[in-house]
Amino acid sequence: DAGVTQSPTHLIKTRGQQVTLRCSPKSGHDTVSWYQQALGQGPQFIFQYYEEEERQRGNFPDRFSGHQFPNYSSELNVNALLLGDSALYLCASSQFRGAYEQYFGPGTRLTVT
Amino acid sequence: TQLLEQSPQFLSIQEGENLTVYCNSSSVFSSLQWYRQEPGEGPVLLVTVVTGGEVKKLKRLTFQFGDARKDSSLHITAAQPGDTGLYLCAGEDGGTSYGKLTFGQGTILTVHP
Repeated sequence: DAGVTQSPTHLIKTRGQQVTLRCSPKSGHDTVSWYQQALGQGPQFIFQYYEEEERQRGNFPDRFSGHQFPNYSSELNVNALLLGDSALYLCASSQFRGAYEQYFGPGTRLTVT
Repeated sequence: TQLLEQSPQFLSIQEGENLTVYCNSSSVFSSLQWYRQEPGEGPVLLVTVVTGGEVKKLKRLTFQFGDARKDSSLHITAAQPGDTGLYLCAGEDGGTSYGKLTFGQGTILTVHP
């Protein structure tokens, strides 16, 4: 049974560029959440998708947007990249009825230069 | 805004010692999770506690949820080098924030052989 998968593993971008990160949830899960983890910090909630809609959103600007597809996979898009966007981006999946129990993927390490 | 404070931030001990990590908040949570994260990987769910006063054991790890559901602790007995990692607590308060996890800043544990 495959767990949560994310791609790419690492990414280097330049300030001002745009980036798309991808996530496939664990089998049987229908809800995907995205988190940003800066070095030495705990993850910060970005948003959550269920039934292809954004259900919850954290304190992140509109430059951060997402999408969920009918097969429950998800994308995180970040526009106009800033140096401060450099972080580990984590995807977590869950069942909506048990959305507090989230299973994380390995993350995508984004470096903005 | 809910906050979770973990203490200590850093813990360096010898193999065989016992330790306790604390997670405190002024807010009530519907559930609280403990995760362990290794460098370059996503957090791995260790346990979920949902009832005030609940105690759960996972081999040498004991997790407790405070009676008021505002705090939690993780106790490790006879620590081993394999316990080394970043320990994170995360709370979810249900209601309008259902599924949104708030993380503490983490405790970096190093167990020396």
